[in-house]
Amino acid sequence: GESVGLHLPTLSVQEGDNSIINCAYSNSASDYFIWYKQESGKGPQFIIDIRSNMDKRQGQRVTVLLNKTVKHLSLQIAATQPGDSAVYFCAERIRGFKTIFGAGTRLFVKA
Amino acid sequence: DTGVSQDPRHKITKRGQNVTFRCDPISEHNRLYWYRQTLGQGPEFLTYFQNEAQLEKSRLLSDRFSAERPKGSFSTLEIQRTEQGDSAMYLCASSLEAGSGANVLTFGAGSRLTVL
Repeated sequence: GESVGLHLPTLSVQEGDNSIINCAYSNSASDYFIWYKQESGKGPQFIIDIRSNMDKRQGQRVTVLLNKTVKHLSLQIAATQPGDSAVYFCAERIRGFKTIFGAGTRLFVKA
Repeated sequence: DTGVSQDPRHKITKRGQNVTFRCDPISEHNRLYWYRQTLGQGPEFLTYFQNEAQLEKSRLLSDRFSAERPKGSFSTLEIQRTEQGDSAMYLCASSLEAGSGANVLTFGAGSRLTVL
């Protein structure tokens, strides 16, 4: 399949370890923050979101943390698996409909 | 429902030609979005429809770009007089209007445009 990005920040983790992907945002008016995963040759896929008045939300094997003081968002993936290898994008929703994507991070999972 | 469908998946054209991409969203989704993505970048917002109404258009979208959603179902994105800088992946997404699903954009696989 085709690559979705050649010069992205990269995180390499061992299978079974936890992964933490970080993101800085700039817009204080965002009402939601969202993480997407993009595999080669596919469109982005929703992972998890968090409302701006929360600081933590957990899903299945994923946790999103929001620190509004420093405008920082992180995605934690527990027990990372080879199928988690992809490019991860943070995004923010503004004005109730517009989703703005940030820079991606490429996650490599070593078996 | 098979998700969001985009056609064609790949288009190679010569500079100056017109191209049109089609998007079929998830049937119960009344919001539809077009994004553009280049290598190494996140998707860039182009335009947004709620039903048949185009409610926002990015300032980055030149006059050569036009999008329609005539019956509030499928949408088309046309690029006139293509330039090499238009080469990119054009992504379509759809979502519900309200509730927890409003945050969830379901993307198609994209239409890759190469302008020679």
